[in-house]
Amino acid sequence: AQSVSQHNHHVILSEAASLELGCNYSYGGTVNLFWYVQYPGQHLQLLLKYFSGDPLVKGIKGFEAEFIKSKFSFNLRKPSVQWSDTAEYFCAVIPQASGTYKYIFGTGTRLKVLA
Amino acid sequence: KAGVTQTPRYLIKTRGQQVTLSCSPISGHRSVSWYQQTPGQGLQFLFEYFSETQRNKGNFPGRFSGRQFSNSRSEMNVSTLELGDSALYLCASSETGTEETQYFGPGTRLLVL
Repeated sequence: AQSVSQHNHHVILSEAASLELGCNYSYGGTVNLFWYVQYPGQHLQLLLKYFSGDPLVKGIKGFEAEFIKSKFSFNLRKPSVQWSDTAEYFCAVIPQASGTYKYIFGTGTRLKVLA
Repeated sequence: KAGVTQTPRYLIKTRGQQVTLSCSPISGHRSVSWYQQTPGQGLQFLFEYFSETQRNKGNFPGRFSGRQFSNSRSEMNVSTLELGDSALYLCASSETGTEETQYFGPGTRLLVL
């Protein structure tokens, strides 16, 4: 079955530390890739997405992600986190097969940034 | 534009009962998807409706059903509730539901006792 793995369930960092959240998916075909974020008390919202082209994607608030097809990975990075980045981060994949477009989400990574 | 709205925001039910949740998408969005969010499983896709037709379905039992109206509003129904159905149910809308960004609502938190 197709799945998305986020190996880090909880991450605690100090402000200004660098962040990398892992995301791996199990699907051999073409995929669309997303990172969504849920800040405390807020709705899920899109952070960034990759459909094709440059595998290094830049999103909002200084986040970026790199698609490495050979590793089936789409890791999220930020060079210097802020307290306001405290949130839950979800990686999501849409496998493009048979014309169906079903989002598959990872289980999420809770990030806590200490001031 | 107003965002995705979901009603009610909180519900408490007992086992065996049924429940109906409602979702109003962003104006102009024709695709509505439903997800179940739990701490252990994350977000799991329930189903997607587009132009009043169920276009995609996740791996949930038949107790979970939905529908979409001509104005794109959608309802989700869960019959014969079980304790394990306690979760946050999220609705998301997009214009066509294909490779686009989904816009999520605040969710309905369901507690089954």
